[in-house]
Amino acid sequence: DIQMTQSPSSLSASVGDRVTITCRASQNINTYLNWYQQKPGKAPKLLIYAASSLQSGVPSRFSGSGSGTDFTLTINSLQPEDFASYYCQQSSILRSFGQGTKLEAK
Amino acid sequence: EVQLVESGGGLVQPGGSLRVSCAASGFTFSTYWMSWVRQAPGKGLEWVANIRQDGSDKYYVDSMKGRFTISRDNAKNSLYLQINSLRAEDTAVYYCARDEGVGNHYFFHYWGQGTLVTVSS
Repeated sequence: DIQMTQSPSSLSASVGDRVTITCRASQNINTYLNWYQQKPGKAPKLLIYAASSLQSGVPSRFSGSGSGTDFTLTINSLQPEDFASYYCQQSSILRSFGQGTKLEAK
Repeated sequence: EVQLVESGGGLVQPGGSLRVSCAASGFTFSTYWMSWVRQAPGKGLEWVANIRQDGSDKYYVDSMKGRFTISRDNAKNSLYLQINSLRAEDTAVYYCARDEGVGNHYFFHYWGQGTLVTVSS
């Protein structure tokens, strides 16, 4: 199985901040990497697919980059509704998720 | 409108079995791969299994091979997950998700609301 490791596990930030979350794969996954946002009690929401493609309807302050084993999710100008948990997920071989990053208000 | 509605969760004793279901609507179910993803209370997301459109191929995360069986009934637009020999660590919300792609890039765009399975005596 491909292991996905996110960092940090938790993060405190303020509205207006720029936030970066990283995800590392245990082997080369090209750009078969997706990002999700999840709020308490809700199903995850797709933000980014294929490492850098913004899902329709997702605000442009979200962006993704990377290829191979190292990826980043960046949120520019953090908004109050962005405080949530974020997960990376690979689809190169089967499927697997990172352990998540909880983004909290400072 | 795409809808995925899970059902069948509940309280089960350790060692018992349970089948959770997912009813799909608003799209041509038989043309999509489908997956199950679970989330233990306060924990992260864990992919469980997926199944090809016609049910001919099924894949599982290594740790769940043997006790978990994914299946589908395209005539009923339904996805299933049979879980046997349930353990406390199987306690989780079980989500079904449409496993779709753009080219070879697959992702989960549509999710159900989840069904909670609690394993306890």
